[in-house]
Amino acid sequence: GDSVTQMEGPVTLSEEAFLTINCTYTATGYPSLFWYVQYPGEGLQLLLKATKADDKGSNKGFEATYRKETTSFHLEKGSVQVSDSAVYFCALSGGTSYDKVIFGPGTSLSVIP
Amino acid sequence: DGGITQSPKYLFRKEGQNVTLSCEQNLNHDAMYWYRQDPGQGLRLIYYSQIVNDFQKGDIAEGYSVSREKKESFPLTVTSAQKNPTAFYLCASTRRQNYNEQFFGPGTRLTVL
Repeated sequence: GDSVTQMEGPVTLSEEAFLTINCTYTATGYPSLFWYVQYPGEGLQLLLKATKADDKGSNKGFEATYRKETTSFHLEKGSVQVSDSAVYFCALSGGTSYDKVIFGPGTSLSVIP
Repeated sequence: DGGITQSPKYLFRKEGQNVTLSCEQNLNHDAMYWYRQDPGQGLRLIYYSQIVNDFQKGDIAEGYSVSREKKESFPLTVTSAQKNPTAFYLCASTRRQNYNEQFFGPGTRLTVL
């Protein structure tokens, strides 16, 4: 079945450092890919998405490119801030699990001043 | 403003009692979902519903029940049969025609004493 794998955390970075969180997926067909963010004690919010190969999703300085050849959707940000501290979830929909979203396990990010 | 509301934010119950968590959406979404999240863990799907009066079990449905009598509402009951009910519960919704972006509520933290 469909699945999403993310790099394990927690990840700790200094402010203004470069961020990469790796995400790879397994799915049939042409799924849509997402990054969600969860701040402490809150629900998930969509951060960015890409619906077809080579699409780049971007929002709030975060970017991710849908790479079908490597089945990846890595999240990047050039300069992180303390306010980016959160848990980040990679997810897909539209594979065999057409009526559900498949989430990765989440990666916790802490940014220190 | 359109969105998903979950109430209450915090809920305390004694062991052996059933408890119902509320989830309401005014986004006119067809599909609704319930997830469970444990500390440091990802999301696990409990139940989901694509249309009124129909719902399907997710990965961890045992000890839970749901109803979908109205499009806007998808309450979750945590029964006394659930062995370890203390967790953070998240409700989400999406348009049925486009199983893409899921919108999440703020969550309910249930503590069983």
